[in-house]
Amino acid sequence: AQSVTQPDIHITVSEGASLELRCNYSYGATPYLFWYVQSPGQGLQLLLKYFSGDTLVQGIKGFEAEFKRSQSSFNLRKPSVHWSDAAEYFCAVGITGGGNKLTFGTGTQLKVEL
Amino acid sequence: DGGITQSPKYLFRKEGQNVTLSCEQNLNHDAMYWYRQDPGQGLRLIYYSQIVNDFQKGDIAEGYSVSREKKESFPLTVTSAQKNPTAFYLCASSMRDRLYEQYFGPGTRLTVT
Repeated sequence: AQSVTQPDIHITVSEGASLELRCNYSYGATPYLFWYVQSPGQGLQLLLKYFSGDTLVQGIKGFEAEFKRSQSSFNLRKPSVHWSDAAEYFCAVGITGGGNKLTFGTGTQLKVEL
Repeated sequence: DGGITQSPKYLFRKEGQNVTLSCEQNLNHDAMYWYRQDPGQGLRLIYYSQIVNDFQKGDIAEGYSVSREKKESFPLTVTSAQKNPTAFYLCASSMRDRLYEQYFGPGTRLTVT
């Protein structure tokens, strides 16, 4: 079965600094890859997705992610973090023939220092 | 505005009682899902439904039940058989041809004492 690892439980960055959140997956083929963001007590919002093609994908709110097949990774990046980016971020994986199920990582909590 | 509605936002029940969580969507999505979220564990799939009158168990279906009588509605019942029902419950939906691209409701926090 596929799995998703987000190795960083908490990350703190200063406002204006760059951000990279890590995501690694375990699966024999190329999965569908997603990043979601969740504000406290709220639902999840889709930031970006990768199905195929260009390995660098752009999302909403200035986020981007790069799919690296050799590293089984799909890291989320933002060049300059804003205080409003403080939230929890989830990486998710879907596989073909997987019964349209998404497998989520355990999340990374982002804190932004002013 | 199109979206997913979950009600209520907070729900309190006594142990031993069944409770039903509401999920309604007006996105005309075919598929709907229920997830459970616990701190530090990410989201775990409880049940999902791709069409009306049909649904499948997810990874943690024990102690839960669902129905899908209408395309826009997918209520979840947390039964007294669920040993640890206190959690944050999220409903999601997706289009038939983009099943993995799921859109989430605001969630219901259930507390059972």
